[in-house]
Amino acid sequence: DVKVTQSSRYLVKRTGEKVFLECVQDMDHENMFWYRQDPGLGLRLIYFSYDVKMKEKGDIPEGYSVSREKKERFSLILESASTNQTSMYLCASKQVDEQYFGPGTRLTVT
Amino acid sequence: GENVEQHPSTLSVQEGDSAVIKCTYSDSASNYFPWYKQELGKRPQLIIDIRSNVGEKKDQRIAVTLNKTAKHFSLHITETQPEDSAVYFCAASRGGGGNKLTFGTGTQLKVEL
Repeated sequence: DVKVTQSSRYLVKRTGEKVFLECVQDMDHENMFWYRQDPGLGLRLIYFSYDVKMKEKGDIPEGYSVSREKKERFSLILESASTNQTSMYLCASKQVDEQYFGPGTRLTVT
Repeated sequence: GENVEQHPSTLSVQEGDSAVIKCTYSDSASNYFPWYKQELGKRPQLIIDIRSNVGEKKDQRIAVTLNKTAKHFSLHITETQPEDSAVYFCAASRGGGGNKLTFGTGTQLKVEL
């Protein structure tokens, strides 16, 4: 059974703070993804990675960066958090087609 | 890049009725079309998918149809039950490892007793 875990379910940060969201998968998947989910906007891709140390911008990369030093771990970094980054963040991984999602991190930036 | 549009944004049906959710895509090279269900407070999970070499696929009460010429695909749920209440997302991609999914904006389905 594929497991994708995220470091926190809920997170509250202040404007300007550096924020790290971590995602770990245990199925040796090569591809990992970070999305944000906002009401009425669906799932929007921030960044994805198809291999260790490789990364590609998604549809909304501004204000975010990522790190993939190990195959099982994909981190999303908010260099200087802003209130418009308050959202639900979902990580996912896949090998071929089916994507498996993590439980999500509800981030609030005040 | 790919653009996926999904309608309706909300759908309310009576228990036992059918529900249909429609999506259109823009990239003619897309060949993989999954549907995800997200229950309240939970993660999205794949419920059914279809590839471009078939026109229809069924799994018990759910079915998906694909019209490649018109670039649209639909999710059909028959004999709806309260546990079908959730947000449903369609998506499209070129398939295979290294390719990303583009999601629709979601449909909130409510099945009323």
